[in-house]
Amino acid sequence: GQQLNQSPQSMFIQEGEDVSMNCTSSSIFNTWLWYKQEPGEGPVLLIALYKAGELTSNGRLTAQFGITRKDSFLNISASIPSDVGIYFCAGAQKLVFGQGTRLTINP
Amino acid sequence: SAVISQKPSRDICQRGTSLTIQCQVDSQVTMMFWYRQQPGQSLTLIATANQGSEATYESGFVIDKFPISRPNLTFSTLTVSNMSPEDSSIYLCSVEPTGANTEAFFGQGTRLTVV
Repeated sequence: GQQLNQSPQSMFIQEGEDVSMNCTSSSIFNTWLWYKQEPGEGPVLLIALYKAGELTSNGRLTAQFGITRKDSFLNISASIPSDVGIYFCAGAQKLVFGQGTRLTINP
Repeated sequence: SAVISQKPSRDICQRGTSLTIQCQVDSQVTMMFWYRQQPGQSLTLIATANQGSEATYESGFVIDKFPISRPNLTFSTLTVSNMSPEDSSIYLCSVEPTGANTEAFFGQGTRLTVV
C-alpha cells in the first residue's frame, strides 16, 4: 500500500527558531494536506495543496507541493510555544498519513 | 469546514464487551471515514462509511469486528466489538464536506481503554 515517510520524527527547538519538516512517498498524490494534533484532540487541517509546485502560506506556516507530486514540506517561522504538537502530512485521494513530527519548544 | 461531534470522548471498557462511537456532523457530507490512532502512532483508515450501503473496509479491518452504520448524510457510528486490550486506541471520525476538494476534517476523537 501507499506509505508516507515523514521526517524528522521529533524536534526540540528554542522559541523563535524556524522549523522545517517534510514528507516523501514512492507514490504520486493529487493532494497534500498538513495537520496539527494537540493532546486529546483530533487533527486540525493547517494547509491544503492541490497542484504540483504550489507554494501556500497560512500565517507563519508555509508548505509546498513537490514538482514530482511525491513530496511536500512544511515550514514554521519564528516558532512560539503554542506551535507545540504533532504535525502530520497526508496524501490524498484516500488519505494516507505520515508518521508525524513531534515538535517541542524550549522557551 | 464542518463541525464534528464525537461521543463518547473517552471510555474504559472491559474486555469482551462492545462500544459504539457516534459521529454527528453539522452539515450534510458525502464522505465519512473512521480512523484508528494507536498510542504514539499515526492515523490508520479503518473504513469509509457509505450512506445507504455497507461500509468499505481497508485491509486488516473487518465488518464483524468494526461494524459501521451510516443512516444519513450527517451521522455515523462505529462499533468496536468483542474488545481486547489491543483495541485500546483513539478512534477518529473524519468527513470530507461536499465540494471541499479532498480536505478532510476530524472530530476530537474517542479515547478507548480496554482493561
